[in-house]
Amino acid sequence: NAGVTQTPKFQVLKTGQSMTLQCAQDMNHNSMYWYRQDPGMGLRLIYYSASEGTTDKGEVPNGYNVSRLNKREFSLRLESAAPSQTSVYFCASSDRSGGPEKLFFGSGTQLSVL
Amino acid sequence: AQSVTQPDIHITVSEGASLELRCNYSYGATPYLFWYVQSPGQGLQLLLKYFSGDTLVQGIKGFEAEFKRSQSSFNLRKPSVHWSDAAEYFCAVISGGSYIPTFGRGTSLIVHP
Repeated sequence: NAGVTQTPKFQVLKTGQSMTLQCAQDMNHNSMYWYRQDPGMGLRLIYYSASEGTTDKGEVPNGYNVSRLNKREFSLRLESAAPSQTSVYFCASSDRSGGPEKLFFGSGTQLSVL
Repeated sequence: AQSVTQPDIHITVSEGASLELRCNYSYGATPYLFWYVQSPGQGLQLLLKYFSGDTLVQGIKGFEAEFKRSQSSFNLRKPSVHWSDAAEYFCAVISGGSYIPTFGRGTSLIVHP
């Protein structure tokens, strides 16, 4: 069972470079999320997608864009990376058809921006 | 807005000792409450959740948590800690019409042999 798959696992960028973090889930979930995790800050929501074709900003969206490519895939793009975006990024999904439900997380992408 | 406070950044216990991790939330009505665990280099995994009913909920790996409305708390407990329990623990809340959880800042559990 793959669950939520994120690629890449590690990435080093130079300031100003762009990249896309990929996320795919095979659980037929409607909702998908991108969080960033920083020491002492817990998880902060960047963007989320309630269903295919919709995306909304979370707590810390500046500097990021997202695409809900289809029901399975939800990508996060950094157009011009900054050192402040050095973080661990987690993708998650959930099935909220019956109400609030738990999130299933990927194993994370560790991003360093130099 | 909903918020979650985990007052302890680090907790150190000896293997075999009991454990309690604190979580307080701010929300007027009864929220949906969760505890997640994150092992090093891994994503988060659900330990347990509370939606309604019995205020003492059992989870995986021998963990339990008790919802106390009067204290706005949802503390996580385990009677005897194992070295493999060393991890980061996150409390999360969903409230009102939202379905998106808000996470606490996490508590890092260190287990001494």
